[in-house]
Amino acid sequence: NAGVTQTPKFRVLKTGQSMTLLCAQDMNHEYMYWYRQDPGMGLRLIHYSVGEGTTAKGEVPDGYNVSRLKKQNFLLGLESAAPSQTSVYFCASSAPDSLPLVAYEQYFGPGTRLTVT
Amino acid sequence: AQRVTQPEKLLSVFKGAPVELKCNYSYSGSPELFWYVQYSRQRLQLLLRHISRESIKGFTADLNKGETSFHLKKPFAQEEDSAMYYCALSSGFGNEKLTFGTGTRLTIIP
Repeated sequence: NAGVTQTPKFRVLKTGQSMTLLCAQDMNHEYMYWYRQDPGMGLRLIHYSVGEGTTAKGEVPDGYNVSRLKKQNFLLGLESAAPSQTSVYFCASSAPDSLPLVAYEQYFGPGTRLTVT
Repeated sequence: AQRVTQPEKLLSVFKGAPVELKCNYSYSGSPELFWYVQYSRQRLQLLLRHISRESIKGFTADLNKGETSFHLKKPFAQEEDSAMYYCALSSGFGNEKLTFGTGTRLTIIP
């Protein structure tokens, strides 16, 4: 049981290049999330998905697109990378809790460190 | 809009001394509060949440709705407590989204 995995671990892009970050989970979770972590700003939600085929915008969605074609995978795309997108990106997943009517614990991946020059 | 404030970016405490990491929130409804922790070279993980009323690794946190606070406390700090701590808020039961604070880096001085 690998939990949440992210590919790649590190990446350096030039301004204007595109790339896709892959998140995979093997816990059969319904919900998946993409965050970015920047110094002094904590974690900010980029996009999330409440199920296969559905996505929604989070707090900082501009410049990113996502897709959830399969329940276990959540892809984050940067169409034209900018230096402002230099960050550490975290994927997370969650599912309804065993306790009734409680918010869901999120399980995080190890992160992808992206540098845009 | 909901907001989580962690006023201390850095906190250094001597081993054996009490620890308190502050968290204040802004939300008009009944929130659910969490503490997540990220140890060095490990992934972010849940430490505790108010609804469970648990003590994890000696840490406790009480939700104070009057002061809109959810401070994390431990009576005697240990070196392995050094980590980045994030307070997070969910806006309602069954809600799937979390709003995180900016985090506090706790360093335990031997």
